[in-house]
Amino acid sequence: GNSVTQMEGPVTLSEEAFLTINCTYTATGYPSLFWYVQYPGEGLQLLLKATKADDKGSNKGFEATYRKETTSFHLEKGSVQVSDSAVYFCALVAISGAGSYQLTFGKGTKLSVIP
Amino acid sequence: EAGVTQFPSHSVIEKGQTVTLRCDPISGHDNLYWYRRVMGKEIKFLLHFVKESKQDESGMPNNRFLAERTGGTYSTLKVQPAELEDSGVYFCASSPKTGTSGVNEQFFGPGTRLTVL
Repeated sequence: GNSVTQMEGPVTLSEEAFLTINCTYTATGYPSLFWYVQYPGEGLQLLLKATKADDKGSNKGFEATYRKETTSFHLEKGSVQVSDSAVYFCALVAISGAGSYQLTFGKGTKLSVIP
Repeated sequence: EAGVTQFPSHSVIEKGQTVTLRCDPISGHDNLYWYRRVMGKEIKFLLHFVKESKQDESGMPNNRFLAERTGGTYSTLKVQPAELEDSGVYFCASSPKTGTSGVNEQFFGPGTRLTVL
């Protein structure tokens, strides 16, 4: 079956530090890949996505590149801010046998950015 | 435009009791999904509605869980009777009618945190 593995947290960084959260996946076919973010007290929000190999998703200074050869979709940001403190989820979507586009998530990585 | 809403935000019940969670999707979204995150584990798919029909319920853990989407609008997820292992955060998501590209962004609600004592 499909699975997503992302680095365990929590991760604590100082403001303006460089961020990498590793994510690898196992899937049949060619899934679309996502990073979702959950800010305290809020629901999951789509941060960025990539739908095919070598696509780069980007948003709010975050980037991730769909690497088929390494089955990875690592999240990066050059300079984090306190407001980036949240839980980050890597996910893939693939069609199930019943014709449903199910998201498969990693366990989530909690990021805390300190001033 | 209002987002996906879920009610209640928190629920604490005793083992053996019944709880009903509600999800109101974004207006006009045909697709409605339920997911669950048990503590320390991944967010897992439970089921998917297209309008009022269950497209895929392969993730439902057992027959103590019953989901409905009357009229293709809001959805309820009932757990009866609740067990300790049902504790977790239940997320609802919705997406528009699936287009020709096949994949649409799923918009999530804030979740309902269920605690079974």
